[in-house]
Amino acid sequence: TQLLEQSPQFLSIQEGENLTVYCNSSSVFSSLQWYRQEPGEGPVLLVTVVTGGEVKKLKRLTFQFGDARKDSSLHITAAQPGDTGLYLCAGAWGGGADGLTFGKGTHLIIQP
Amino acid sequence: GAVVSQHPSWVICKSGTSVKIECRSLDFQATTMFWYRQFPKQSLMLMATSNEGSKATYEQGVEKDKFLINHASLTLSTLTVTSAHPEDSSFYICSALPDRGNYNEQFFGPGTRLTVL
Repeated sequence: TQLLEQSPQFLSIQEGENLTVYCNSSSVFSSLQWYRQEPGEGPVLLVTVVTGGEVKKLKRLTFQFGDARKDSSLHITAAQPGDTGLYLCAGAWGGGADGLTFGKGTHLIIQP
Repeated sequence: GAVVSQHPSWVICKSGTSVKIECRSLDFQATTMFWYRQFPKQSLMLMATSNEGSKATYEQGVEKDKFLINHASLTLSTLTVTSAHPEDSSFYICSALPDRGNYNEQFFGPGTRLTVL
């Protein structure tokens, strides 16, 4: 079983601060996705990364894929209360149509 | 685009009864769909891979005779929890992999909350 570690699990910061969430595996990902999930709802896809060293931006969110494709990070600049939620990284290692292995998630609270 | 629906959104049933959950891809075809389970305060756990026209593939520890999966068309997969017990109470979420999508990008349904009394 492939393991995927996500940290931190909980993070509470003030509005305007920056933060980074990390996702790591000991094996090379074929693809990695970041999702956001609201209570009682399904995860919503934010981004997919597949190429080592890849950087993708979504407004104030920056996603980076490690050169070795074993780790990824999500950086939020100038966090806002609307960013509050559960952020999940999910990876696959097989290269085909694979079910995803999810990290434990990061519960993010942005205080006004 | 890439919308996935689930029905019902929540269900309460008595112990010993069976419950069917539907997962539909509304605006795309999906040969492959997945079923996940999420317990309170925990992350999603893959239960099984559903393939149109063939048998589902189950993850280790998931009973295939208890969680019956049928993927009868390119837009519909169903999960039937047979002889449900209180420990089966959970949030069941499906995802669909567009046949014409990129890499392993999966789109998730809104989930079904199952409570077994």
